[in-house]
Amino acid sequence: AQSVTQLDSHVSVSEGTPVLLRCNYSSSYSPSLFWYVQHPNKGLQLLLKYTSAATLVKGINGFEAEFKKSETSFHLTKPSAHMSDAAEYFCVVSEEGFQKLVFGTGTRLLVSP
Amino acid sequence: DAGVIQSPRHEVTEMGQEVTLRCKPISGHNSLFWYRQTMMRGLELLIYFNNNVPIDDSGMPEDRFSAKMPNASFSTLKIQPSEPRDSAVYFCASSPDPGQGETQYFGPGTRLLVL
Repeated sequence: AQSVTQLDSHVSVSEGTPVLLRCNYSSSYSPSLFWYVQHPNKGLQLLLKYTSAATLVKGINGFEAEFKKSETSFHLTKPSAHMSDAAEYFCVVSEEGFQKLVFGTGTRLLVSP
Repeated sequence: DAGVIQSPRHEVTEMGQEVTLRCKPISGHNSLFWYRQTMMRGLELLIYFNNNVPIDDSGMPEDRFSAKMPNASFSTLKIQPSEPRDSAVYFCASSPDPGQGETQYFGPGTRLLVL
Protein backbone atom coordinates (compact mmCIF):
# COMPACT_ATOMS: atom_id res chain seq x y z
CA ALA A 1 0.00 0.00 0.00
CA GLN A 2 1.05 3.54 -0.64
CA SER A 3 1.96 5.82 2.27
CA VAL A 4 3.60 9.13 3.01
CA THR A 5 5.64 10.19 6.02
CA GLN A 6 5.90 13.82 6.98
CA LEU A 7 9.04 14.06 8.99
CA ASP A 8 8.17 17.12 11.06
CA SER A 9 4.94 17.76 12.91
CA HIS A 10 5.86 21.44 13.40
CA VAL A 11 8.21 23.78 11.57
CA SER A 12 8.93 27.31 12.77
CA VAL A 13 10.49 29.97 10.55
CA SER A 14 10.88 33.71 10.56
CA GLU A 15 9.21 35.82 7.94
CA GLY A 16 11.48 36.21 4.92
CA THR A 17 13.47 33.01 5.56
CA PRO A 18 13.27 29.82 3.50
CA VAL A 19 10.71 27.10 4.16
CA LEU A 20 11.39 23.36 3.92
CA LEU A 21 8.67 20.82 4.69
CA ARG A 22 9.82 17.24 4.31
CA CYS A 23 7.90 14.31 2.91
CA ASN A 24 8.93 10.76 2.07
CA TYR A 25 6.68 8.38 0.23
CA SER A 26 6.38 4.64 -0.12
CA SER A 27 5.01 3.24 -3.35
CA SER A 28 5.48 0.18 -5.49
CA TYR A 29 4.82 2.08 -8.69
CA SER A 30 5.23 5.56 -10.11
CA PRO A 31 3.05 7.61 -7.82
CA SER A 32 1.13 10.84 -8.10
CA LEU A 33 2.02 13.16 -5.24
CA PHE A 34 0.36 16.28 -3.96
CA TRP A 35 0.80 19.00 -1.40
CA TYR A 36 -2.35 20.48 0.09
CA VAL A 37 -2.59 23.40 2.52
CA GLN A 38 -5.22 23.92 5.21
CA HIS A 39 -5.61 27.30 6.86
CA PRO A 40 -7.33 27.38 10.27
CA ASN A 41 -11.00 26.41 10.08
CA LYS A 42 -10.82 26.14 6.30
CA GLY A 43 -10.94 23.36 3.74
CA LEU A 44 -7.93 21.98 1.93
CA GLN A 45 -6.46 23.74 -1.08
CA LEU A 46 -4.13 22.19 -3.63
CA LEU A 47 -0.66 23.77 -3.65
CA LEU A 48 0.89 21.60 -6.36
CA LYS A 49 1.00 18.09 -7.76
CA TYR A 50 3.41 15.71 -9.46
CA THR A 51 2.10 13.28 -12.06
CA SER A 52 5.22 11.88 -13.76
CA ALA A 53 6.01 14.94 -15.85
CA ALA A 54 8.73 17.39 -14.77
CA THR A 55 10.30 16.42 -11.46
CA LEU A 56 10.42 20.04 -10.25
CA VAL A 57 6.86 21.19 -9.75
CA LYS A 58 5.87 24.79 -9.21
CA GLY A 59 2.72 25.61 -7.32
CA ILE A 60 0.77 28.56 -6.05
CA ASN A 61 2.06 31.26 -3.72
CA GLY A 62 5.71 30.65 -4.61
CA PHE A 63 5.88 27.06 -3.38
CA GLU A 64 7.62 24.30 -5.27
CA ALA A 65 8.49 20.66 -4.73
CA GLU A 66 10.97 18.26 -6.27
CA PHE A 67 10.23 14.61 -6.89
CA LYS A 68 13.33 12.53 -6.17
CA LYS A 69 12.76 8.88 -6.94
CA SER A 70 16.17 7.78 -5.65
CA GLU A 71 15.39 9.30 -2.26
CA THR A 72 11.62 8.61 -2.36
CA SER A 73 11.11 12.21 -1.33
CA PHE A 74 8.83 15.06 -2.32
CA HIS A 75 9.89 17.98 -0.14
CA LEU A 76 8.05 21.31 -0.29
CA THR A 77 10.06 24.53 -0.38
CA LYS A 78 9.59 28.27 -0.61
CA PRO A 79 12.44 30.78 -0.79
CA SER A 80 10.90 33.36 1.52
CA ALA A 81 8.14 32.76 4.07
CA HIS A 82 5.24 35.13 4.48
CA MET A 83 3.03 35.49 7.52
CA SER A 84 0.09 34.26 5.44
CA ASP A 85 1.87 30.93 4.88
CA ALA A 86 1.15 29.88 8.46
CA ALA A 87 -1.06 26.82 8.07
CA GLU A 88 -1.06 23.03 8.09
CA TYR A 89 0.48 21.30 5.08
CA PHE A 90 -0.33 17.79 3.95
CA CYS A 91 1.72 15.57 1.70
CA VAL A 92 -0.52 13.17 -0.19
CA VAL A 93 -0.05 10.14 -2.44
CA SER A 94 -2.58 8.74 -4.87
CA GLU A 95 -3.04 5.02 -5.19
CA GLU A 96 -2.21 3.48 -8.54
CA GLY A 97 -4.96 3.92 -11.08
CA PHE A 98 -7.34 5.39 -8.55
CA GLN A 99 -8.23 8.72 -7.09
CA LYS A 100 -8.03 7.42 -3.56
CA LEU A 101 -5.71 9.78 -1.68
CA VAL A 102 -3.60 8.80 1.29
CA PHE A 103 -2.74 11.76 3.51
CA GLY A 104 0.29 12.31 5.67
CA THR A 105 -0.14 13.40 9.25
CA GLY A 106 0.50 17.03 8.40
CA THR A 107 3.12 19.64 9.23
CA ARG A 108 2.10 22.81 10.99
CA LEU A 109 4.09 25.78 9.70
CA LEU A 110 4.52 28.65 12.12
CA VAL A 111 5.82 31.98 10.79
CA SER A 112 7.07 34.59 13.20
CA PRO A 113 7.62 38.28 12.42
CA ASP B 1 -17.56 28.77 -9.81
CA ALA B 2 -18.94 28.39 -6.29
CA GLY B 3 -16.73 25.47 -5.42
CA VAL B 4 -17.84 22.51 -3.35
CA ILE B 5 -20.68 23.47 -1.04
CA GLN B 6 -21.29 21.77 2.28
CA SER B 7 -24.06 22.24 4.79
CA PRO B 8 -24.40 22.74 7.61
CA ARG B 9 -21.05 24.32 8.47
CA HIS B 10 -21.49 23.48 12.13
CA GLU B 11 -23.67 20.90 13.81
CA VAL B 12 -24.12 20.23 17.51
CA THR B 13 -26.28 17.29 18.46
CA GLU B 14 -26.87 14.87 21.27
CA MET B 15 -25.80 11.27 21.35
CA GLY B 16 -28.33 9.02 19.68
CA GLN B 17 -29.65 11.62 17.28
CA GLU B 18 -29.52 11.28 13.52
CA VAL B 19 -27.16 13.61 11.70
CA THR B 20 -27.25 14.37 7.97
CA LEU B 21 -24.44 16.17 6.23
CA ARG B 22 -24.92 17.52 2.73
CA CYS B 23 -22.63 18.19 -0.19
CA LYS B 24 -23.00 19.80 -3.59
CA PRO B 25 -20.00 19.04 -5.82
CA ILE B 26 -18.62 21.34 -8.48
CA SER B 27 -20.80 21.18 -11.57
CA GLY B 28 -19.44 18.75 -14.14
CA HIS B 29 -17.32 16.79 -11.70
CA ASN B 30 -17.85 13.05 -11.88
CA SER B 31 -16.24 11.91 -8.64
CA LEU B 32 -17.19 12.77 -5.08
CA PHE B 33 -15.41 11.94 -1.85
CA TRP B 34 -16.27 12.09 1.86
CA TYR B 35 -13.44 12.51 4.37
CA ARG B 36 -13.27 12.76 8.13
CA GLN B 37 -10.61 14.71 10.00
CA THR B 38 -9.81 14.15 13.67
CA MET B 39 -6.81 14.95 15.83
CA MET B 40 -6.23 11.29 16.56
CA ARG B 41 -6.57 9.81 13.07
CA GLY B 42 -5.90 12.74 10.76
CA LEU B 43 -7.67 12.78 7.39
CA GLU B 44 -9.41 9.57 6.42
CA LEU B 45 -11.34 8.74 3.28
CA LEU B 46 -14.75 7.38 4.19
CA ILE B 47 -16.29 6.70 0.79
CA TYR B 48 -16.08 7.81 -2.79
CA PHE B 49 -18.49 7.84 -5.71
CA ASN B 50 -17.90 7.89 -9.43
CA ASN B 51 -20.83 8.85 -11.66
CA ASN B 52 -23.10 8.62 -8.59
CA VAL B 53 -22.09 5.02 -7.88
CA PRO B 54 -20.24 4.12 -4.66
CA ILE B 55 -16.85 2.72 -5.65
CA ASP B 56 -15.08 2.24 -2.34
CA ASP B 57 -16.74 2.43 1.07
CA SER B 58 -14.06 0.56 2.96
CA GLY B 59 -13.38 3.62 5.08
CA MET B 60 -16.89 3.85 6.49
CA PRO B 61 -16.44 3.17 10.19
CA GLU B 62 -19.51 1.04 10.84
CA ASP B 63 -23.12 0.48 9.94
CA ARG B 64 -24.16 3.67 11.66
CA PHE B 65 -22.68 5.56 8.72
CA SER B 66 -24.31 5.65 5.30
CA ALA B 67 -23.81 7.78 2.20
CA LYS B 68 -25.90 8.37 -0.86
CA MET B 69 -25.57 10.22 -4.10
CA PRO B 70 -29.00 10.34 -5.73
CA ASN B 71 -27.83 12.59 -8.56
CA ALA B 72 -24.73 14.28 -9.90
CA SER B 73 -25.26 17.45 -7.88
CA PHE B 74 -26.02 16.16 -4.40
CA SER B 75 -24.71 13.74 -1.81
CA THR B 76 -25.48 13.03 1.84
CA LEU B 77 -23.57 11.42 4.66
CA LYS B 78 -25.80 10.17 7.45
CA ILE B 79 -24.91 9.03 10.94
CA GLN B 80 -27.60 7.18 12.85
CA PRO B 81 -27.37 6.97 15.79
CA SER B 82 -24.60 9.47 16.45
CA GLU B 83 -22.00 8.96 19.18
CA PRO B 84 -19.53 11.36 20.82
CA ARG B 85 -16.63 9.65 19.03
CA ASP B 86 -18.13 10.78 15.72
CA SER B 87 -17.19 14.36 16.59
CA ALA B 88 -14.92 15.53 13.79
CA VAL B 89 -14.72 17.74 10.75
CA TYR B 90 -16.26 16.11 7.70
CA PHE B 91 -15.07 17.21 4.29
CA CYS B 92 -16.59 16.62 0.91
CA ALA B 93 -14.42 16.84 -2.21
CA SER B 94 -15.05 16.46 -5.92
CA SER B 95 -12.92 15.94 -8.97
CA PRO B 96 -13.50 16.16 -12.72
CA ASP B 97 -12.56 12.66 -13.80
CA PRO B 98 -11.56 9.35 -12.31
CA GLY B 99 -7.97 8.28 -12.34
CA GLN B 100 -4.71 8.71 -10.59
CA GLY B 101 -3.42 12.23 -10.38
CA GLU B 102 -6.69 14.07 -10.66
CA THR B 103 -6.99 17.06 -8.37
CA GLN B 104 -9.63 16.91 -5.68
CA TYR B 105 -11.38 20.14 -4.71
CA PHE B 106 -12.43 20.32 -1.09
CA GLY B 107 -15.39 22.00 0.50
CA PRO B 108 -15.09 24.07 3.69
CA GLY B 109 -16.15 21.16 5.89
CA THR B 110 -18.84 20.48 8.47
CA ARG B 111 -17.71 20.63 12.07
CA LEU B 112 -19.74 18.06 14.00
CA LEU B 113 -19.94 17.90 17.77
CA VAL B 114 -21.87 15.06 19.38
CA LEU B 115 -22.55 15.60 23.07
